Amino acid sequence: EAGVAQSPRYKIIEKRQSVAFWCNPISGHATLYWYQQILGQGPKLLIQFQNNGVVDDSQLPKDRFSAERLKGVDSTLKIQPAKLEDSAVYLCASSLAASGFLNTEAFFGQGTRLTVV
Amino acid sequence: AQSVAQPEDQVNVAEGNPLTVKCTYSVSGNPYLFWYVQYPNRGLQFLLKYITGDNLVKGSYGFEAEFNKSQTSFHLKKPSALVSDSALYFCAVRDPGSGNTGKLIFGQGTTLQVKP
Repeated sequence: EAGVAQSPRYKIIEKRQSVAFWCNPISGHATLYWYQQILGQGPKLLIQFQNNGVVDDSQLPKDRFSAERLKGVDSTLKIQPAKLEDSAVYLCASSLAASGFLNTEAFFGQGTRLTVV
Repeated sequence: AQSVAQPEDQVNVAEGNPLTVKCTYSVSGNPYLFWYVQYPNRGLQFLLKYITGDNLVKGSYGFEAEFNKSQTSFHLKKPSALVSDSALYFCAVRDPGSGNTGKLIFGQGTTLQVKP
């Protein structure tokens, strides 16, 4: 079974530039998460999709971050414009966890390491 | 609001000795609890979960965890540590209560260092 795929693995940009990350979840997984993991901290949930709808984006900095999940499959996370404090690893995860499947674990991709200089 | 805490930034243990990585949680109802491990430059890897039933759950690589409802804890354990267990460990909680979105919340992580 293929895992969660993310690209790119690494990205270096200058502040005020824009950047986009892509995620392809495990086939059949209804729920997709984007997490931000700053060095030395635990992953912080940015946005959670169930199929192609947003169910939680309470911690997404909406003035600069946006995300979409077209057709309930792939997802992109965009930052525009980037700030120095956005330097982090961005993790995508997916799970079966929709109504009736909340007991299922999430599977993570390898992440995209973003450095903003 | 749900939350999870890992009170130790780092745990040091000698190879062959038992290890414990601590986790406490806060949810409004009965929690679903998870442990993940992260190796350098890798994503998080699922170890084990508690949903219901036996308070002692067994997972990958010889790890186990004990759910204690009265102490709201879910400590990760292993009877005999290996050097290769050295990694960053995360506890996570999901509140399955009605109306909740299934949000998965992580602790801040505990670095496990196993010395030969």
